[in-house]
Amino acid sequence: LAKTTQPISMDSYEGQEVNITCSHNNIATNDYITWYQQFPSQGPRFIIQGYKTKVTNEVASLFIPADRKSSTLSLPRVSLSDTAVYYCLVRPGGYNKLIFGAGTRLAVHP
Amino acid sequence: SAVISQKPSRDICQRGTSLTIQCQVDSQVTMMFWYRQQPGQSLTLIATANQGSEATYESGFVIDKFPISRPNLTFSTLTVSNMSPEDSSIYLCSVVGGAGGGNEQYFGPGTRLTVT
Repeated sequence: LAKTTQPISMDSYEGQEVNITCSHNNIATNDYITWYQQFPSQGPRFIIQGYKTKVTNEVASLFIPADRKSSTLSLPRVSLSDTAVYYCLVRPGGYNKLIFGAGTRLAVHP
Repeated sequence: SAVISQKPSRDICQRGTSLTIQCQVDSQVTMMFWYRQQPGQSLTLIATANQGSEATYESGFVIDKFPISRPNLTFSTLTVSNMSPEDSSIYLCSVVGGAGGGNEQYFGPGTRLTVT
């Protein structure tokens, strides 16, 4: 499984756009990039998944360049409730075990 | 989607004792996993709970310490045996699929265990 590297922590303010970049240099051809969000005292929650280019849903956008060695999770106009830990994971298609890295602790300030 | 409940939500136990954690899913799922999250840390996969057969353990985890049962497609238990303070963690159940199928993975709320 490809190793991921992401910032340990980030700070932002309400209303700003937040971009969290994840590096996965050893990503394989059939790997997907998945992001999870975890609030304190809760289990992780799926945010978004992509293979290449751009994926957007009601929560976030995921940008994946052509070489797929990195990806960027974009959270538009964050609020205090977006304060959480965000995990970037790489997993092969059809492979269901999720191996978590350290994650990025995002703090949103008023 | 899948709704997962865990019991107990938290417990304080004495060293040397054992605790069994229950995981109940509101729909039949093919794959269930158990994770551990130590304070301030990321999640570590303990094992895959296989229905009708022994669990598959990750490196560093053994059946004698973390016996797992999965009697059907909606239920699993994890026992933390002969506990020590190092076992103080949040234990999370996770499933793949749920109603409607799909390969999204869902997590339970966790069981917070403190060993004194």
